[in-house]
Amino acid sequence: QKEVEQNSGPLSVPEGAIASLNCTYSDRVSQSFFWYRQYSGKSPELIMSIYSNGDKEDGRFTAQLNKASQYVSLLIRDSQPSDSATYLCAVSLSGNTPLVFGKGTRLSVIA
Amino acid sequence: EAGVAQSPRYKIIEKRQSVAFWCNPISGHATLYWYQQILGQGPKLLIQFQNNGVVDDSQLPKDRFSAERLKGVDSTLKIQPAKLEDSAVYLCASSFDLGEQFFGPGTRLTVL
Repeated sequence: QKEVEQNSGPLSVPEGAIASLNCTYSDRVSQSFFWYRQYSGKSPELIMSIYSNGDKEDGRFTAQLNKASQYVSLLIRDSQPSDSATYLCAVSLSGNTPLVFGKGTRLSVIA
Repeated sequence: EAGVAQSPRYKIIEKRQSVAFWCNPISGHATLYWYQQILGQGPKLLIQFQNNGVVDDSQLPKDRFSAERLKGVDSTLKIQPAKLEDSAVYLCASSFDLGEQFFGPGTRLTVL
């Protein structure tokens, strides 16, 4: 049974701070890793993908992957109230295979 | 580029009734997925199509759920008969390569 674990939160951070979201996965052969943002009542929106160990930066977002530790994280710098949402970690074996999602971490950015 | 389209957006039915959802993927995306998302949970795969063939339907409750993608483009998901526990959001996603999946707005189903 492939599992993806996330702390459900809520994670509360002040505006302008760094939000750190974490995820672990059980299937060691997983190759593709994604972070989705989901606002209440909306569908998941892809914000980051990462495929190799290390860091990947895109604007205020940085994804970090450590396959040896089976650990993925997402850092959000200069957090804004508009970043308040549920962040879903998703893992797949390879391209075009189904995603296995965690339950999501609810982030609240306090103005 | 237009995104993934789904309809209807909302549906309320009585238990034991049937319901169908429609999805049109992003143009050129050969792979189409249906996921079920129950409140407070992450999406869970129901079925994956590659063009008009089924790749993975291992988690589809086949006694009541069916899906098709006859011409390799749009797809329908049907539930018959519906149970109370089928109340959820049904999400359609499509992908071209690299596994990046893009989701439609979803259909929120309430079974009374």
